[in-house]
Amino acid sequence: AQSVTQLGSHVSVSEGALVLLRCNYSSSVPPYLFWYVQYPNQGLQLLLKYTTGATLVKGINGFEAEFKKSETSFHLTKPSAHMSDAAEYFCAVSKEYGNKLVFGAGTILRVKS
Amino acid sequence: EPEVTQTPSHQVTQMGQEVILRCVPISNHLYFYWYRQILGQKVEFLVSFYNNEISEKSEIFDDQFSVERPDGSNFTLKIRSTKLEDSAMYFCASGGQASYEQYFGPGTRLTVT
Repeated sequence: AQSVTQLGSHVSVSEGALVLLRCNYSSSVPPYLFWYVQYPNQGLQLLLKYTTGATLVKGINGFEAEFKKSETSFHLTKPSAHMSDAAEYFCAVSKEYGNKLVFGAGTILRVKS
Repeated sequence: EPEVTQTPSHQVTQMGQEVILRCVPISNHLYFYWYRQILGQKVEFLVSFYNNEISEKSEIFDDQFSVERPDGSNFTLKIRSTKLEDSAMYFCASGGQASYEQYFGPGTRLTVT
C-alpha cells in the first residue's frame, strides 16, 4: 500500500525566506508524485508532478521539488516566500497512470510580513 | 482554460435523505474520481471511474454510495441515506489520456444535520 507523510502540519516563514515543505512517501512500485495547493474555500490546484526523468521538477508560482529515491522524499521548496503563498499544501502519490491519488495530511503554510 | 465544475457549492440535508452531487469533468478526459475531505482531515479517495464502470473504490464507498455518468458529460455521486459523518467537502477530479495529473473541481460542501 502507498502512503505519504508530511512532516509539520504548520510551517511559518517570513516573507522573502526559503520555503521548505517536507514529504516522504512509501510505495512498493516506482511512484508518481504530486504537490497540490489549496487556498481557503477553493479546490486543489496542481503545483507540480514527478513521473519519470529529471528528478528536479519545476512547477507554477516558483515552486520546485526534488525526487530522491534513496530518501523516499519529494520535498517542496521555493527560494523566496510571498504573502500569496499562504495556503495548505498536499503531497500525493500514485502508483500508475489513471490510478487514485493517496494524499498526505497537508501542511498549512503561513507567511509573515 | 478547461476546468472541472461542481454543483452545488454547498448542500445542506437532513440525515437519512438522498443527495446527488454533480460534476462536469474536462470534456476530453477519460478518468473520473471522487474524493472527500472531512473538516481538518486529509483528502481521501472514494472511487474512480473509467470506461463507464468503477475501476476502484475505497472501503468508504459502501452500498450507500453510487456513481453515474448519465449523459457523457456529467459525473454524479449519489448518497442514498446520508449520515452525520458524511458531512465533508466532496471533490470531483478528472484525468486525460496519457496524463498522470488529476484536475480537481472546487468542491461541494455537504452538511448533514
